[in-house]
Amino acid sequence: GAGVSQSPRYKVAKRGQDVALRCDPISGHVSLFWYQQALGQGPEFLTYFQNEAQLDKSGLPSDRFFAERPEGSVSTLKIQRTQQEDSAVYLCASSQRALIYSSEQYFGPGTRLTVT
Amino acid sequence: AQRVTQPEKLLSVFKGAPVELKCNYSYSGSPELFWYVQYSRQRLQLLLRHISRESIKGFTADLNKGETSFHLKKPFAQEEDSAMYYCAFRSNDYKLSFGAGTTVTVRA
Repeated sequence: GAGVSQSPRYKVAKRGQDVALRCDPISGHVSLFWYQQALGQGPEFLTYFQNEAQLDKSGLPSDRFFAERPEGSVSTLKIQRTQQEDSAVYLCASSQRALIYSSEQYFGPGTRLTVT
Repeated sequence: AQRVTQPEKLLSVFKGAPVELKCNYSYSGSPELFWYVQYSRQRLQLLLRHISRESIKGFTADLNKGETSFHLKKPFAQEEDSAMYYCAFRSNDYKLSFGAGTTVTVRA
């Protein structure tokens, strides 16, 4: 079956532009996560959704970052007024059950964002 | 605060030689530990988790609470094991914390 998909795969933005990154989780998966992976580092947690509810956004680095999952499936991560330090790979992951059940997270291929 | 440390950025071994990737964590409770792998041009995927206590692709990892370590081992490395490996940790706040990763190259 289809795994987690993300689009676009690559995005180049000029400093100050807004960007929107899309994640299509595995159908029926309850949990959805966003991670940011800077060059040479491991992924870092940004935010978590259980269905349409954003239960944790403690990892979002600033108020320029905003995520939504309005119907409990597709999610969008939006970055306003991009800065060079936002350049990274943004990973989306989904898992079948709610977090308390500790089910495996399946990762998408990521979106590589370059801010020039 | 850094919760997971992978001290080796790069690891090069010959085919057939043993390989060990080190991972240390900082947490006083009962963590969940994982190893994730990313092969070239592929997505990040789970390799193994300590609660399963299973061997995947010949890899094993034992959780040592005394040393707060979760080292990944394989007795005989294969060329297809060349990849980036990430140790990850989850405490009771359910968020995954990843180490910086170790790039493994297995030479023929």
